[in-house]
Formats: sequence, C-alpha cells, structure tokens
Amino acid sequence: LAKTTQPISMDSYEGQEVNITCSHNNIATNDYITWYQQFPSQGPRFIIQGYKTKVTNEVASLFIPADRKSSTLSLPRVSLSDTAVYYCLVGDMLERSAGGTSYGKLTFGQGTILTVHP
Amino acid sequence: SQTIHQWPATLVQPVGSPLSLECTVEGTSNPNLYWYRQAAGRGLQLLFYSVGIGQISSEVPQNLSASRPQDRQFILSSKKLLLSDSGFYLCAWSVKGPSTDTQYFGPGTRLTVL
Repeated sequence: LAKTTQPISMDSYEGQEVNITCSHNNIATNDYITWYQQFPSQGPRFIIQGYKTKVTNEVASLFIPADRKSSTLSLPRVSLSDTAVYYCLVGDMLERSAGGTSYGKLTFGQGTILTVHP
Repeated sequence: SQTIHQWPATLVQPVGSPLSLECTVEGTSNPNLYWYRQAAGRGLQLLFYSVGIGQISSEVPQNLSASRPQDRQFILSSKKLLLSDSGFYLCAWSVKGPSTDTQYFGPGTRLTVL
C-alpha cells in the first residue's frame, strides 16, 4: 500500500469550505484513493472513493490531479457536526487469500483532525 | 439493510484476565470480517481478518486470537490481558467480489486494562 501524508490537524468555521490534501507519491497504477471519517468513540465511516479527476457525492468531493500523487477531499459548508478525524487511504485494497478469495486490507494512518468552530 | 453489532461497548479488565469480544453482522451472507485496534490518538491497526468460517489470518503477532464459529460471527479473545491491550477495538465487514475495499465498521468496544 502506498504511504500517505496528510496534515495532522485543521481548523475551520461553520459555513466554510474545507479542503484536506493527502500526498501519496508512490501510488501504483491499480490504486484507488479512499477517504474515511471517524467521530470520537465510533468506527470510521466511508466518505468517498476515486481513481482520477473528480468524484462528487452528497457528502463531499474528491479532486485527483492527473499525476495522482495527491488528492484533495473537499467538504462544502462545514458544520459543527463535521468535526472528526479524516483518513486518506491509498491502495487497491484487494488481496487474495490462499483459496483465492479477495478481501480488503485497509491501512489507516493518524488522519487529519478537523475542528469546526462556531 | 446490513447492521453490525459489537459488545460490550466498554470493558474494564485487570491485567492477566481473559477477554472475549463479540461481533455479529446482520443482513449479509459470507462477508469478510476484520478486527482492528485503535490506541489513543493513533490510527487503526488491522489485527485479524477472516474470509470464511474457521479461516483466520493474523496481521500482528500478539497475545490476542480470533475465531469465526459462524458465518456472521467474529470473536476476539485473549487468555491473559496485558496493559498494552488497552484500546478501542473495532469490528468491520466487507462484501466479497470486485469491490471489497469498502469496509463497514461497528460501534466499537473501549477496553481498559488496569
């Protein structure tokens, strides 16, 4: 799995757009970029995934430049409830067991602590 | 819809005592199952994964073990807890097939070893 680097923490205010950038210089051709969100004392929650260019869903957008060595998670008009840790993961995440069954293998770093202020 | 349960939610155990954490998944069949641990202020560490009943793979050597006695049940155990076993334990599941990378996490168990 490719190593990722993201800011340890970020601060924002309600109503602002927040962009969290993740560096992954060693991303492989088959690797996808996935972001998870984790609230205190809860399990991580899948936010968005992309391979290249731009992906948008009801929660966030993911921007991936042509060289794919970085990606930016964009959260529009954040609210206090968006305060959480955001993890960037890179990898095809598909491994094969001895019997040929695929399984996911996620590696979580320390993530980015986003704090939204009133 | 699928749901994942973990219990207990919190647990305080003395050093040297045994451990048993349980995870069950509803609404899906033949899932991949995972156990993660998260130490305070750190990212998640994959401990075990299972692709089927009785099939367990360990990622990190330790005094923990896992078992999958039924298709949708995953158990994390220890015979003798260490102080370093304290942490937040998360169970997760994913579907099999071309898109197994999205994992769905349970509510977690907060374990404190004293």
